[in-house]
Amino acid sequence: AQSVTQLDSQVPVFEEAPVELRCNYSSSVSVYLFWYVQYPNQGLQLLLKYLSGSTLVKGINGFEAEFNKSQTSFHLRKPSVHISDTAEYFCAVSDKDNAGNMLTFGGGTRLMVKP
Amino acid sequence: GAGVSQTPSNKVTEKGKYVELRCDPISGHTALYWYRQSLGQGPEFLIYFQGTGAADDSGLPNDRFFAVRPEGSVSTLKIQRTERGDSAVYLCASSLRPVDTQYFGPGTRLTVL
Repeated sequence: AQSVTQLDSQVPVFEEAPVELRCNYSSSVSVYLFWYVQYPNQGLQLLLKYLSGSTLVKGINGFEAEFNKSQTSFHLRKPSVHISDTAEYFCAVSDKDNAGNMLTFGGGTRLMVKP
Repeated sequence: GAGVSQTPSNKVTEKGKYVELRCDPISGHTALYWYRQSLGQGPEFLIYFQGTGAADDSGLPNDRFFAVRPEGSVSTLKIQRTERGDSAVYLCASSLRPVDTQYFGPGTRLTVL
């Protein structure tokens, strides 16, 4: 079984400032890692994912995340945010050995970008 | 192309009633998932279909919940004797294969009065 913790429920930040959204996971097995974004009144959209290889993963809209196995973390970063980045962000994991690849999500972090 | 669609977008029902929620996955996607998102929480896995069969239903909370996918495309989540605690957004996702990216629909917001 896996669990995902997103320590910050809300992150307020000014436009053009950098941001980091934290994600830690717990698992007894090897995992794949994901970040999804949910804009108001829209479905979840994949930002980026880590399956294997380079621990630094680049995604859409200028976001990137780094997998740190020793710290069991997968923090999401963006060097300069825009108003349009205001949304709910979810970190998720899945069991590499589970053929179904079901996702276990964290509780979400609401990013609020202020002008 | 068309994404995952879910109907209805909103459903209000009374405690004890039966409801059906529909999911139309992306054409050709063999894997289909149902998740439930309660207010202020992340989505929680309910059930996963590979083709027509429910490959994993370990997330269904109790036997009031049931889902089908008879022709390997459209899926229906069925909830009997609804309770107020069933109120949530029910999300459907599909992927070409289980290992591929899951694409989510906009969800059905269920409110049980």
